[in-house]
Amino acid sequence: EIVMTQSPATLSVSPGERATLSCRASQSVSSNLAWYQQKPGQAPRLLIYGASTRATGIPARFSGSGSGTEFTLTISSLQSEDFAVYYCQQYNNWPSGTFGQGTKVEIK
Amino acid sequence: EVQLVESGGGLVQPGGSLRLSCAASGFTFSSYWMSWVRQAPGKGLEWVANIKQDGSEKYYVDSVKGRFTISRDNAKNSLYLQMNSLRAEDTAVYYCARRGDGELWGTFDYWGQGTLVTVSS
Repeated sequence: EIVMTQSPATLSVSPGERATLSCRASQSVSSNLAWYQQKPGQAPRLLIYGASTRATGIPARFSGSGSGTEFTLTISSLQSEDFAVYYCQQYNNWPSGTFGQGTKVEIK
Repeated sequence: EVQLVESGGGLVQPGGSLRLSCAASGFTFSSYWMSWVRQAPGKGLEWVANIKQDGSEKYYVDSVKGRFTISRDNAKNSLYLQMNSLRAEDTAVYYCARRGDGELWGTFDYWGQGTLVTVSS
């Protein structure tokens, strides 16, 4: 089983600042990595797939990078609507879809 | 517009059963793998089960094997999850999710709003 580990658990950021979230896989997942955003009381929303491709309608301030075992989600200038929990998910090991434990981005 | 609407959640005693449903619209349901993903209160996301377009392949997380059954009815654009021998640790919001295709293969590209299952005496 591939284990996904996200860090930090909580990230305190001021509006307008950059946020950098990390995700590490216990073994290589190539570029088969997605990021999701979840706001309180809502379902997750797909942000990034293929490690670096934004999903339809996702603003350009969201960017993803990495391959193999190390991945990063960057939010270049945090807006009020970006404060949420972010999950990474590997899909290299089909048919499962292991998620990380999440990083909460909160207002500093 | 893609829509996934879950129903069937509720309070059930340990050892009991429950059947969740997901009504899909806005896309060709029979062309996609579908999944259930759950989220325990205050916790992260956990993939539960997958089903192929024609129902011929089904996969489960180890913790639910032998207790949960995923199924679909393409004529009714509906996905189901039969949950038997429920345990307290199955308490969660259960989401119906579409597995992407093409470039989005393997992702969960659309999600329902979720239905809460509470297992308690």
